[in-house]
Amino acid sequence: QKEVEQNSGPLSVPEGAIASLNCTYSDRVSQSFFWYRQYSGKSPELIMSIYSNGDKEDGRFTAQLNKASQYVSLLIRDSQPSDSATYLCAVNRDDMRFGAGTRLTVKP
Amino acid sequence: SAVISQKPSRDICQRGTSLTIQCQVDSQVTMMFWYRQQPGQSLTLIATANQGSEATYESGFVIDKFPISRPNLTFSTLTVSNLSPEDSSIYLCSVAAGGYGYTFGSGTRLTVV
Repeated sequence: QKEVEQNSGPLSVPEGAIASLNCTYSDRVSQSFFWYRQYSGKSPELIMSIYSNGDKEDGRFTAQLNKASQYVSLLIRDSQPSDSATYLCAVNRDDMRFGAGTRLTVKP
Repeated sequence: SAVISQKPSRDICQRGTSLTIQCQVDSQVTMMFWYRQQPGQSLTLIATANQGSEATYESGFVIDKFPISRPNLTFSTLTVSNLSPEDSSIYLCSVAAGGYGYTFGSGTRLTVV
């Protein structure tokens, strides 16, 4: 079992729609969870972090964490073509472990 | 958060040679992390570098192939030795960004011919 699993996609949504990205992790003692966005040819950039169960909102982004289910998700509201990228879920224990990423395409 | 200067940004190397990648951070950090991202894949941790001690390598990565230097709290190098085409990848250094995830360097795209 991989430490961090994501649907590889690709995920395609129309402009203005909600994009939903999902992630599960295997290590129950993990405490910190992150979403990174990676544009093609660029390095990952942190967009969301979440540490406790529930929802965390930042602008158009909402991260959701359910530690009992070992599940993390990212919702992107009012998706824009500029949101087209690969989204990486990451879990931090002593170091950061990444999922394989979900490629999102937002179509105008 | 910290700013990392990584170089070179890309290189094309011959088989059997080595490439050294440098990362300079604009603030002192305890740990630096080196990742590899193979084409179309996610990030795989190579090793964690602490100043003043030997790097800690992940399973599948060995010091002879990926020697790491960490001479001070703002600088680290990763050398990829005895290059083969399978080493063609993007290599990234990163640091913890004040507890809020990691900040990454701009990456080094290595092509081995």
